[in-house]
Amino acid sequence: AQSVTQLDSQVPVFEEAPVELRCNYSSSVSVYLFWYVQYPNQGLQLLLKYLSGSTLVKSINGFEAEFNKSQTSFHLRKPSVHISDTAEYFCAVSGMDMGRRALTFGSGTRLQVQP
Amino acid sequence: GAGVSQSPRYKVAKRGQDVALRCDPISGHVSLFWYQQALGQGPEFLTYFQNEAQLDKSGLPSDRFFAERPEGSVSTLKIQRTQQEDSAVYLCASSPGTGQLFFGSGTQLSVL
Repeated sequence: AQSVTQLDSQVPVFEEAPVELRCNYSSSVSVYLFWYVQYPNQGLQLLLKYLSGSTLVKSINGFEAEFNKSQTSFHLRKPSVHISDTAEYFCAVSGMDMGRRALTFGSGTRLQVQP
Repeated sequence: GAGVSQSPRYKVAKRGQDVALRCDPISGHVSLFWYQQALGQGPEFLTYFQNEAQLDKSGLPSDRFFAERPEGSVSTLKIQRTQQEDSAVYLCASSPGTGQLFFGSGTQLSVL
């Protein structure tokens, strides 16, 4: 079984400032890791994922996350946020075991970018 | 269509009424998942299908919840005798088996 902890329920930040959204997980098996974004009144969209290989993964809109196995973390960062980044961000894990492919989500972090 | 389609987009039900929520996954996707997302919370797993086989239904909260995918494509989540605590957004997702899930926009269920 897996679990995900997102320590911050809300993160207010000014436009063009850097931001970090924290995610820690626990699992008895090796995992795949994901960040999903949910804009107001829209469905969940995949932002980035770690499946294997380089522990630093990047999205097309400037976000990046680093898989840290020793700290069981997958924090999301962006060096300079825009108003349009305002959304709910969900960290998720799935086990690499074949028995189940479902994602386990954290409770989400609401990023509020202020002008 | 190109994405996961869910209908209806909104559903209002009186307490005790039965409801049926539909999901059309991406064509060719073997895996299909249902999640429940309460207001201000992350999605919670309900059930998982691989083709027509329901391999995991451990997340269904009660025996009032039932899901099916008879031909391995379209899926229906049925809730019998709805209660107020069933009010949530119900999300469907499909996957080609790579570990990445593609989500629909959800059905927002309000039970009065």
